[in-house]
Amino acid sequence: AQTVTQSQPEMSVQEAETVTLSCTYDTSESDYYLFWYKQPPSRQMILVIRQEAYKQQNATENRFSVNFQKAAKSFSLKISDSQLGDAAMYFCAYRANSNYQLIWGAGTKLIIKP
Amino acid sequence: DGGITQSPKYLFRKEGQNVTLSCEQNLNHDAMYWYRQDPGQGLRLIYYSQIVNDFQKGDIAEGYSVSREKKESFPLTVTSAQKNPTAFYLCASSISRGRETQYFGPGTRLLVL
Repeated sequence: AQTVTQSQPEMSVQEAETVTLSCTYDTSESDYYLFWYKQPPSRQMILVIRQEAYKQQNATENRFSVNFQKAAKSFSLKISDSQLGDAAMYFCAYRANSNYQLIWGAGTKLIIKP
Repeated sequence: DGGITQSPKYLFRKEGQNVTLSCEQNLNHDAMYWYRQDPGQGLRLIYYSQIVNDFQKGDIAEGYSVSREKKESFPLTVTSAQKNPTAFYLCASSISRGRETQYFGPGTRLLVL
């Protein structure tokens, strides 16, 4: 069975510093997508970044970047220059190309200290 | 503005009552999804629909029903058979049931009186 694990229930970082959120997954598929979603206090789920497994280059979106290690089945999210607005729950999700279903981790609560 | 809307924001259900959560999208997406979120957990799939008049059960479909009569609309009914309905419900859509990313509405919080 495919699973997604986020081992850090909560992380905190000083404003303007860098923080890395961890995610590991288990799959026997070779073609899949990985996602990081952000859920602020409003509770709307917002896509942060996505990575195609067939691409070796790590995805980046402004201050957000990933470290995708396919062999280790690891997909961490790095947030640079943390801002107060980054405070939220962050969810890692996986989807095989052969399937419609997103498999979700339990989430990491990110606290930004001013 | 293009997007996904869900209503109401809060919904209260009495014992034995069926309630319906609305989800509408104007993104021209073919696929739509309903998820349930409980505290401390990731999302779990209730139902999904790839095209009009077609839908499939997800992992936790028992006690829920859906319809897809229009491309833009995918309402979810929480029936009296769902014994623990208190949760946050999220609707999502994607261009198709393919490689595309899912985008989410603002959610509905369902509480039992």
